[in-house]
Amino acid sequence: AQTVTQSQPEMSVQEAETVTLSCTYDTSESNYYLFWYKQPPSRQMILVIRQEAYKQQNATENRFSVNFQKAAKSFSLKISDSQLGDTAMYFCAILYGGSQGNLIFGKGTKLSVKP
Amino acid sequence: GAVVSQHPSRVICKSGTSVKIECRSLDFQATTMFWYRQFPKQSLMLMATSNEGSKATYEQGVEKDKFLINHASLTLSTLTVTSAHPEDSSFYICSARLRAGGMTGELFFGEGSRLTVL
Repeated sequence: AQTVTQSQPEMSVQEAETVTLSCTYDTSESNYYLFWYKQPPSRQMILVIRQEAYKQQNATENRFSVNFQKAAKSFSLKISDSQLGDTAMYFCAILYGGSQGNLIFGKGTKLSVKP
Repeated sequence: GAVVSQHPSRVICKSGTSVKIECRSLDFQATTMFWYRQFPKQSLMLMATSNEGSKATYEQGVEKDKFLINHASLTLSTLTVTSAHPEDSSFYICSARLRAGGMTGELFFGEGSRLTVL
């Protein structure tokens, strides 16, 4: 079975600073994808960043980057220059079974960016 | 990015009635749609996987007769909560996958539907 663990229920960061959200996962699959989704108060799930497991290079999207440690099954999200609009729930997720598989979410981390 | 629309965004119904929630992919064809349920301050729990033209696959513990899923076309899937009870009150979210699958397997999410059963 696939599991995703986010050990930080809540975190806060000052505006303009950097914060790292942790995520570990477990899977026996060799082919999978990892995602970070953001759910702001509006509740719309928004894709933040994705990582293909077969790629060693860490994905980066503007202020968002990941630290993907495949052997350790770790997939942390770093948010640089935090902005007030980054306040949201962040969910780590794994998609297994190839690109047609299912998405399993972690419990989420509530991030608050303080002015 | 691709757009998924969910309707209604909020619905209040009486206990014992049925409620239908629609999930539409607006600018792409989706062979697979997923239905999730989210309790307050909790994660998304996969309820079922809906494939166009075939029966939905339900996750363990989800009553298929309670939560009827129909995926009649490549752009529409519906979730019907039958004989709703207060414990069915929740936030329901759908997501869709591009027909071509995409190399990343990315899912696009609807805005969610808040169901309140009185």
